[in-house]
Amino acid sequence: SQQGEEDPQALSIQEGENATMNCSYKTSINNLQWYRQNSGRGLVHLILIRSNEREKHSGRLRVTLDTSKKSSSLLITASRAADTASYFCATDAGGSRLTFGEGTQLTVNP
Amino acid sequence: DAGVIQSPRHEVTEMGQEVTLRCKPISGHNSLFWYRQTMMRGLELLIYFNNNVPIDDSGMPEDRFSAKMPNASFSTLKIQPSEPRDSAVYFCASTITGANTGELFFGEGSRLTVL
Repeated sequence: SQQGEEDPQALSIQEGENATMNCSYKTSINNLQWYRQNSGRGLVHLILIRSNEREKHSGRLRVTLDTSKKSSSLLITASRAADTASYFCATDAGGSRLTFGEGTQLTVNP
Repeated sequence: DAGVIQSPRHEVTEMGQEVTLRCKPISGHNSLFWYRQTMMRGLELLIYFNNNVPIDDSGMPEDRFSAKMPNASFSTLKIQPSEPRDSAVYFCASTITGANTGELFFGEGSRLTVL
């Protein structure tokens, strides 16, 4: 079964708006990662947050982690049409073996 | 720098045929992963190698699937005989286990269609 579950499954917003995606997981983790996948392409790593961190920023990305609730969120600020993609959270319980969620399909309308 | 290289990018075959997917990880990476992606089941880890040794193959669906890593720069995933339910996109990813970043680098995938 999938460790991570993303919410929502699909999100459609206008360019310039912020997009928030959530991820829940079930077991203890070393870190949680977010990946992006453009249609027909491989996954690309966006950001990693360790289990002892609560928030992390990278450019227009902000990730939060709440280990007590076993949840994480990814915020993309000032979205662009080029941000249209699927976004996956992935949990690392050790040894770099990642378990991926089912993903959120983000559509940013110009 | 070249990323993870997979071949073929697309393969269409008939049920019962043997399929071999290939992967060249990033030079210097010591761990390699094979994932399968379908609409129904999402991304599933099939097998994981560390220093060319299979560490965990619990995700391999059945005996029809086998994977090898004869050296640090090459891995294969073989399906024999193939079945229509094997149709999926197969991804190879590599990383340096123990590195501070922990990120996986994915190839562009091999899209398999079994008729």
